[in-house]
This record gives sequence, structure tokens and C-alpha cells, in this order.
Amino acid sequence: DQQVKQNSPSLSVQEGRISILNCDYTNSMFDYFLWYKKYPAEGPTFLISISSIKDKNEDGRFTVFLNKSAKHLSLHIVPSQPGDSAVYFCAATPFGNEKLTFGTGTRLTIIP
Amino acid sequence: DAGVIQSPRHEVTEMGQEVTLRCKPISGHNSLFWYRQTMMRGLELLIYFNNNVPIDDSGMPEDRFSAKMPNASFSTLKIQPSEPRDSAVYFCASSPTGSRTYNEQFFGPGTRLTVL
Repeated sequence: DQQVKQNSPSLSVQEGRISILNCDYTNSMFDYFLWYKKYPAEGPTFLISISSIKDKNEDGRFTVFLNKSAKHLSLHIVPSQPGDSAVYFCAATPFGNEKLTFGTGTRLTIIP
Repeated sequence: DAGVIQSPRHEVTEMGQEVTLRCKPISGHNSLFWYRQTMMRGLELLIYFNNNVPIDDSGMPEDRFSAKMPNASFSTLKIQPSEPRDSAVYFCASSPTGSRTYNEQFFGPGTRLTVL
């Protein structure tokens, strides 16, 4: 039973445009959410996070939006750059718990 | 500043053989996590340790899998006997208690395991 779902296995976006990656969760206990980025032959690296007390968190070109009522979050990348081509994982956890539950990932390809 | 170190990077073995994956966490990190990545299930947590003590092993698929952390700088994940369905990329990650960004885990480069 996938508690964190990334329904789009892949996404292609033109360089300079906005990339939007989506994530849905089912567990109401989740209240802290993270995005990780993974290049081939490397481990995932932390990108950005958001607590359930917020509905938006911004870090440079990356913004994460959280819609608690819909149990949905999204990662926006503006503008998209070729170096953003990677697999993006969404993860969630109840606050105070070290255990992260990850989604299956979305492969983002930025087209020059 | 060395990150999480995993060895081997690639392992090819035959069904029924014992496989041992190794991990050295970042110095000073209290928690260590073992994950398995597959296309179908994404990143699954197998087990995690805090201060060398196993906290949650509910993700370990079956008795063929075992993990140890004999000290703060070393952990192993063992599969005995291995089966073709164990083929996956196995990641080790570590995190410090009270990190600036809560729950940020630092991943190693992974071990790609192929069981023939």
C-alpha cells in the first residue's frame, strides 16, 4: 500500500519554463514533507522541505506547495535548467519520527 | 569531508549465495538507514538504527535479510540466501540528531545488486 504516490513516472519540460512535480499522500499522520533529487549513479540529495503549519516554502528557484485538505503537495522549479534533469522523490513523515516514507519518483527531463 | 561510504558499488552474484553490503555513515551522525530502490516501489526503508540500536526493522522483507551496526562507524546488510528478486539498488543513509533541517538524511552512492 503506497502511502506516498507520485503518479507521473516522467515529465519533460523545455528549458526556461516551469516544472511542476506532484505528490499525493494518504496517511493523515504525515505532517512533514521533503523532496529529494537523484542523479544517475548517485544517492538522493535533500532539496527542500515543508511543515504542515505552512502551505508554501521557497528556496531560490524551488518552491513547494502543500494542500493539507487534498493531501497533495507539489514542487515548482522556475526557471527550469538542464542541470535539473534528475529523478525527484517526495517523502513524508509524522513530525518527531525519523522514518521517511518515499514515493516512487518522477524522472524530470529538461529539454534545451 | 567524506560523505556516506558504501561498498561494493556493484555486486553480481548467483542465486543462493550470501551477499554482504557495507556502509560507513558520516562521522557524528546518530542515525543510520538502509533503503532498497526498485522501479515498482521506489525507495523502501528496510531498517534503521539510532545510536547503533535497531529501532525499526518492519521493512525487512523476510528472514533472509539481516542488518547489524557493531559500532558508530560501520553497518552491514546481509542477504542469505540471495534470490533474483533481491536485485535492486541498496542505499545507506545517515542523519544527525537535531539537524538544522529536520530529518534531512544524507545518502551514500548505493550498491547495485544483481542476483542471477
